[in-house]
Amino acid sequence: RKEVEQDPGPFNVPEGATVAFNCTYSNSASQSFFWYRQDCRKEPKLLMSVYSSGNEDGRFTAQLNRASQYISLLIRDSKLSDSATYLCVVNVFPGGADGLTFGKGTHLIIQP
Amino acid sequence: NAGVTQTPKFRVLKTGQSMTLLCAQDMNHEYMYWYRQDPGMGLRLIHYSVGEGTTAKGEVPDGYNVSRLKKQNFLLGLESAAPSQTSVYFCASRGFNQPQHFGDGTRLSIL
Repeated sequence: RKEVEQDPGPFNVPEGATVAFNCTYSNSASQSFFWYRQDCRKEPKLLMSVYSSGNEDGRFTAQLNRASQYISLLIRDSKLSDSATYLCVVNVFPGGADGLTFGKGTHLIIQP
Repeated sequence: NAGVTQTPKFRVLKTGQSMTLLCAQDMNHEYMYWYRQDPGMGLRLIHYSVGEGTTAKGEVPDGYNVSRLKKQNFLLGLESAAPSQTSVYFCASRGFNQPQHFGDGTRLSIL
C-alpha cells in the first residue's frame, strides 16, 4: 500500500466552479498534513497546513478525516490561476527526520 | 530573506563528468533535503541531513553523495554522471515539525 495516495487527474473544471480532491495516507499515527501547489517546472510551494478541526484560507478549505485516513482540499470559485498540480503531504512517520512524504499530485486544469 | 537558494539553475554534463549542486538556506533550519523529480514519478528523496555534520540516505541515494559541513549549506555531488540522472533537483529545508521550504530547482541534463 502506498503511503500517500492521490488521484493524478487531470481534473478539468470550468472557471468559477467548485472542485475537491482527496488524498489518503497509510499510517494512522501521522500527525502533520499539508497541501502544496506546484506549477509547471517550478518548485512546490506550501498552500496550507491541514488542522484537525479543518481550516479555511480564502477560497481554499482543507479538512482532515482521521477515522478514514484522508485529507481533502476544496477550491471554491475556481480561477484560471488555480491551474496547477496539488501535492498532498504527510509526515507518515512522526518523529522521523526524513521529512515529509509527498503524494504524486493531482493535476488541476481550470478552463475558461 | 532569500529562503532556500540553489545553484546552478541549469547544467548540461557529459556522461562520466562530476559536479556539485549547492543548496543554501538562511532560515537556521536543522533539516535539509535533496529530491529529484521526474515525469510521472513525483518527488523522490535522495539524501537528507538532520544537522551540521550529519547525512542519511533517502529513497534513491545511489550515484549521489552529500555533505553538510555548515548548517546553512547542503551539497549534492555526482561523482560520475549518468544519463539516468537527468532530472530536476530540488533542495528543501525545514524546522522541527514544520513544512518544508523548497529552492527553485536545478535542471540537470546528462548527455
